Amino acid sequence: AQTVTQSQPEMSVQEAETVTLSCTYDTSESDYYLFWYKQPPSRQMILVIRQEAYKQQNATENRFSVNFQKAAKSFSLKISDSQLGDAAMYFCAYRNYGQNFVFGPGTRLSVLP
Amino acid sequence: SQTIHQWPATLVQPVGSPLSLECTVEGTSNPNLYWYRQAAGRGLQLLFYSVGIGQISSEVPQNLSASRPQDRQFILSSKKLLLSDSGFYLCAWRDPGRTEAFFGQGTRLTVV
Repeated sequence: AQTVTQSQPEMSVQEAETVTLSCTYDTSESDYYLFWYKQPPSRQMILVIRQEAYKQQNATENRFSVNFQKAAKSFSLKISDSQLGDAAMYFCAYRNYGQNFVFGPGTRLSVLP
Repeated sequence: SQTIHQWPATLVQPVGSPLSLECTVEGTSNPNLYWYRQAAGRGLQLLFYSVGIGQISSEVPQNLSASRPQDRQFILSSKKLLLSDSGFYLCAWRDPGRTEAFFGQGTRLTVV
C-alpha cells in the first residue's frame, strides 16, 4: 500500500523568509499525482499545489513551489516570502490513477512576525 | 462554478444518539465523493467513498455508514454514536476527469 510520510510535525519560519516542508512517499507505480493541501485554523482543506509524476518540471503557484524528486520519492514544498496567513497545517497527499488519496500526517507551520 | 456544502458546522450529540451529516456538491455531475475523519492534530482517515449513486465503498469498518441517494448528495450516518466517533468530519469531491479533490468546510462532532 502507498504511504506518505512527513517527518516534520512542526516547523516555524520568520515572516518574509523561506521555509521548506518535507514529504516522502512509497509507491511502486510510475504514474501518479502529488499534492500539498493547507488547513488553516478554520480547518477547511485548501489545495496549494499539485504535481503530475510524468512531468519533470516542478510545479509553482506564486510563492509556492515544489521540489519533485521522482527517483527519491520526495516531494517538498517551498514557501517563499512567508506571510502570517501561511500559518496552517500542511498535508502532503498522493493519488494513483483510479485510486483514492493517501494523506501524510501533516506539518504544523508557524509564521513568526 | 463548483461548490460543496457541508452541514452542520458543529454538532454535540449524546452517546447512543443517531447521526446524519450531509454534503452536497453543485456545478458538476457524477463526482467522486468522499468522507474523511480527522482526529485532533492528526491526518485524514478515509471513511467512505462513492463513484456513483448507490455505490459506496467502506475503507474502515466502524460504527458509521454512508449513502448517496442522489448524484451530488453524500450522507454520513450512525444509528448509535460512540464517544470514539468524536472528531472533525470532512466531505470532499473530485471530478473524475481531474486530479485534485475539493473539500467542504467540515463538521466538528463532539459525542458526550
